[in-house]
Amino acid sequence: AQTVTQSQPEMSVQEAETVTLSCTYDTSENNYYLFWYKQPPSRQMILVIRQEAYKQQNATENRFSVNFQKAAKSFSLKISDSQLGDTAMYFCAFMKGTGGFKTIFGAGTRLFVKA
Amino acid sequence: SAVISQKPSRDICQRGTSLTIQCQVDSQVTMMFWYRQQPGQSLTLIATANQGSEATYESGFVIDKFPISRPNLTFSTLTVSNMSPEDSSIYLCSVDRGRDTQYFGPGTRLTVL
Repeated sequence: AQTVTQSQPEMSVQEAETVTLSCTYDTSENNYYLFWYKQPPSRQMILVIRQEAYKQQNATENRFSVNFQKAAKSFSLKISDSQLGDTAMYFCAFMKGTGGFKTIFGAGTRLFVKA
Repeated sequence: SAVISQKPSRDICQRGTSLTIQCQVDSQVTMMFWYRQQPGQSLTLIATANQGSEATYESGFVIDKFPISRPNLTFSTLTVSNMSPEDSSIYLCSVDRGRDTQYFGPGTRLTVL
């Protein structure tokens, strides 16, 4: 069975600074996808970034980038130039590449961006 | 991405009653998913709903408690039956739009008294 672990329940960062959220996962699959979702107080789950396991290049989306270490089963999210609107709960998630679309979520990291 | 709406956005219900949550997508999708997010917790998949077939439930969730309908490719409902305070949660629907990525509705916040 797959598991996703986020070991940081809560983090804070000063506006305009950089913060890294950690995520590790466990799987025996070779083909899978990894995601970071953001859930602000409005509770809407928003896709932040997506990584295919077969791609060595780390995904980037504007101020958001990942450090994907497949051998170590690590998938961290870096937020550069943090903004107040980045304050939210961040969930790391895993999906197998075959056999359905069940997504496994980590426990989440609550991020506070301070002015 | 997909435009997904849910109704109601929130509700307060009495113990023993049932609530049906609707999920509408702006285009046809094969698979729709229902998740539960208990207070302060992560998301847990309740079931996967394909059009024209019975929903597939995850361990710990049963059809009698969470009946699901999927009458067409853009709509699904989840009913929370015989509610108790432990059912107080956010319920979210999601869809896969073919990029092996799930997009979520805004959620329904349910409080059971």
